[in-house]
Amino acid sequence: GAGVSQSPSNKVTEKGKDVELRCDPISGHTALYWYRQSLGQGLEFLIYFQGNSAPDKSGLPSDRFSAERTGGSVSTLTIQRTQQEDSAVYLCASSFNLPSGWRGGLSYEQYFGPGTRLTVT
Amino acid sequence: LAKTTQPISMDSYEGQEVNITCSHNNIATNDYITWYQQFPSQGPRFIIQGYKTKVTNEVASLFIPADRKSSTLSLPRVSLSDTAVYYCLVGVGTYKYIFGTGTRLKVLA
Repeated sequence: GAGVSQSPSNKVTEKGKDVELRCDPISGHTALYWYRQSLGQGLEFLIYFQGNSAPDKSGLPSDRFSAERTGGSVSTLTIQRTQQEDSAVYLCASSFNLPSGWRGGLSYEQYFGPGTRLTVT
Repeated sequence: LAKTTQPISMDSYEGQEVNITCSHNNIATNDYITWYQQFPSQGPRFIIQGYKTKVTNEVASLFIPADRKSSTLSLPRVSLSDTAVYYCLVGVGTYKYIFGTGTRLKVLA
């Protein structure tokens, strides 16, 4: 079946402009995650959605970042007034929700999309 | 906030077994450990996931000691195509996840 898709694959924007990054998760996956990977750096967790709800937004780097998810499916990560330090690859992942009290057994792996490479000039 | 550390890089020869350890202090009781492989310009790809003791699948084994403060990914008989960056991913409580610092594995002929 189709995997996680993200659009656009590449985005070049001028400093100060707003950008929207889109993620289409795997059908049926109720959990959705956003991560950021700066050039040559590791992976930084940004936010997690359970259905349409993001219970904890403290992982977002600043108040210029916001994310929403509608219909339990598509998610949008919005960056306002972009800065050069926002340049990175933004990765989206989806999974089934981990059941309460899970102790192994079925895998609840996160499936990752190819990412959106954002360059702020 | 929990810190999750890995060796920066490792070299190995084809056919050897490679073990990569991830240290994850303060991992919470209900959190699990997942390992991913990442090639340049691609998203991470799932390798294996576990909660405790040992888990084995067709590509790797995962060893988790009783205190769960670390985990070791074991890749049997690596090949050149296993050259990649390997990350552990740990849930650190409600709605938060941390990737390890990543280990760049280079497999030599």
